[in-house]
Amino acid sequence: GAVVSQHPSWVICKSGTSVKIECRSLDFQATTMFWYRQFPKQSLMLMATSNEGSKATYEQGVEKDKFLINHASLTLSTLTVTSAHPEDSSFYICSARPPRQGGKDTQYFGPGTRLTVL
Amino acid sequence: DAKTTQPPSMDCAEGRAANLPCNHSTISGNEYVYWYRQIHSQGPQYIIHGLKNNETNEMASLIITEDRKSSTLILPHATLRDTAVYYCIVRGLLGSGYSTLTFGKGTMLLVSP
Repeated sequence: GAVVSQHPSWVICKSGTSVKIECRSLDFQATTMFWYRQFPKQSLMLMATSNEGSKATYEQGVEKDKFLINHASLTLSTLTVTSAHPEDSSFYICSARPPRQGGKDTQYFGPGTRLTVL
Repeated sequence: DAKTTQPPSMDCAEGRAANLPCNHSTISGNEYVYWYRQIHSQGPQYIIHGLKNNETNEMASLIITEDRKSSTLILPHATLRDTAVYYCIVRGLLGSGYSTLTFGKGTMLLVSP
C-alpha cells in the first residue's frame, strides 16, 4: 500500500514552453501533497505544500506564478512549470500524506520526474 | 525543528550490519526522529521513525539514546540494494499537524560485495 505515482517519469522540452507533472496517490487519499526539487548532487528542497481544495503554500524564493500547483482532488496534484528555462532543469519529486494515524505522520514519495529544458 | 548531523559517507560489506549514526542534540520533547533513504534517481522511501523507545520493522531498527540526543539506524544484513543516501530528520508538532520534512545532506551508504 501507500503508492504514489508521477507522470511523466522524464520530459525534455524547449525553452519557453510549459510542462505539467502529475502526482497521484494510488491507494489512499491525501489531503496534503508536497512538491520538491532536487538539483544534481544536492538534497531535496521543498517547493510548496498543497492542500486539497485550497491554494498552495510556497516556500520562500519559489515563484508561485512560475510553478503552478493544482490539487483538485484527494488523489491528484499537478505541478506546471510555465515558460520553462534551462535553469529549471531538475528532478521534481512529489509526496503525499495520508490522514494522520496516531503518532505516525508519514509522507510517501513518488518516483520523481526528470525535467530537461533545452 | 532540531538540526541533525550525519557523516557524509559510510561503507559496509554485503551481509554485515550497517549502523548509521545521527546527532540531534537540540531535539525537544515532542519531536520525532524519522529516517528516509533515497536510492539514486528515485524518490525517497520511508524507513522508520521513533520518539524515545527503540523501534524495529521489516526494514530496520532505530536505536534512540536515553537522552534522545542521538540515534542509530541499523540495517541488520545490508545488501547491495541498500546502497543509498540515508536521511535522518527531526520533526515536531506544529498546530494542526507535523512540520514539513527538511532534508539535509544525509549519509551516502555504499554496500560492497
